[in-house]
Amino acid sequence: ETGVTQTPRHLVMGMTNKKSLKCEQHLGHNAMYWYKQSAKKPLELMFVYSLEERVENNSVPSRFSPECPNSSHLFLHLHTLQPEDSALYLCASSQSGTGGSSYEQYFGPGTRLTVT
Amino acid sequence: GENVEQHPSTLSVQEGDSAVIKCTYSDSASNYFPWYKQELGKRPQLIIDIRSNVGEKKDQRIAVTLNKTAKHFSLHITETQPEDSAVYFCAAIPSGSARQLTFGSGTQLTVLP
Repeated sequence: ETGVTQTPRHLVMGMTNKKSLKCEQHLGHNAMYWYKQSAKKPLELMFVYSLEERVENNSVPSRFSPECPNSSHLFLHLHTLQPEDSALYLCASSQSGTGGSSYEQYFGPGTRLTVT
Repeated sequence: GENVEQHPSTLSVQEGDSAVIKCTYSDSASNYFPWYKQELGKRPQLIIDIRSNVGEKKDQRIAVTLNKTAKHFSLHITETQPEDSAVYFCAAIPSGSARQLTFGSGTQLTVLP
């Protein structure tokens, strides 16, 4: 696999379930991100990890818990979600650094989450 | 923080015509402005970007213009083709942050045959 991969691609879960989303990047990048994409809304940045440290948490409810064990892997642990959390969850990666030679973010295909 | 507004939310053009999508941003310190294209059921992909020290950039049928004074930037697609149909997102990154993209709300472009 090349680029950024995400599993599962589709997930249906009840409000009392616990599940995890997985993201893996094969680009040698040092920054990874979780975004939420809801219908007719902008992409919402949820979490940013740079060099495996969380550097951004945009007021995301605690029922979403990220984990970045190394620079290639990113998880989003989900528990007691609400129906309004149903959305496409996108992972992205980039090479973060000074000088800004490239700010491009590479996105994964996303996980379509439905909370029932 | 940065706020990016994008217009229009939907745009339909005849094949061969031009399409223009506009974005405004609020943080005058923003210095990088990418455009992403997201086809139906696919991931967003960067199609063109511009930095604040440049006023215009072209790549074949696609161009982006930046007006720093007015704090707006635009995507121009000429000679549109059906495969240009997609959702287009603009974004901005404030100075000092190489990570935090703030996206516009997206424009659904439909190219009619």
